[in-house]
Amino acid sequence: AQKITQTQPGMFVQEKEAVTLDCTYDTSDQSYGLFWYKQPSSGEMIFLIYQGSYDEQNATEGRYSLNFQKARKSANLVISASQLGDSAMYFCAMRDFLNAGNNRKLIWGLGTSLAVNP
Amino acid sequence: DGGITQSPKYLFRKEGQNVTLSCEQNLNHDAMYWYRQDPGQGLRLIYYSQIVNDFQKGDIAEGYSVSREKKESFPLTVTSAQKNPTAFYLCASSIRQGHTGELFFGEGSRLTVL
Repeated sequence: AQKITQTQPGMFVQEKEAVTLDCTYDTSDQSYGLFWYKQPSSGEMIFLIYQGSYDEQNATEGRYSLNFQKARKSANLVISASQLGDSAMYFCAMRDFLNAGNNRKLIWGLGTSLAVNP
Repeated sequence: DGGITQSPKYLFRKEGQNVTLSCEQNLNHDAMYWYRQDPGQGLRLIYYSQIVNDFQKGDIAEGYSVSREKKESFPLTVTSAQKNPTAFYLCASSIRQGHTGELFFGEGSRLTVL
């Protein structure tokens, strides 16, 4: 069965330092996509970054990068130069391309709470 | 600005009452979704709709109902049949045939049953 595992319930990082949030996934499909979302205390889920299973390069979006290790089935989020506004919950999710155009198969992890210390 | 608007942000309900949560989007997205979020359980899909006048049950549809009469609107009714309705509800939308299919979310509605 498809599954997303985020093993870090909570993380702390010092402002301006980098932090890695772990995500491992389990799927037997060859074609899939991996997402990271941020949920601040306001409640809204904010899309951060996407990695397709066939993408050869790791995805990057500004200070966010995705460390994609396909053989290990891991898709860790790296946040560089942490800012106070990065304090939030972070969720990893996976989409099965067999249902492309239908996000019903978006599988979510339980999230990691990140606190950035000044 | 384009986005998704959910209302109300907070809602209190007595047991046995139905309540409707509003979700409106001006992103011109075809697909819309309702998720439920409970502490420690992540997001669970309640209902989704790919097109006007059509919707499908998600993983936890029992005790909920939806309608999709307009492209912009996807209201969720939490009925008295829902055993444990206290939760945070998130509405989302996506381009139906998007490259990555990322979801765009509203700010959520927190429902508390007294």
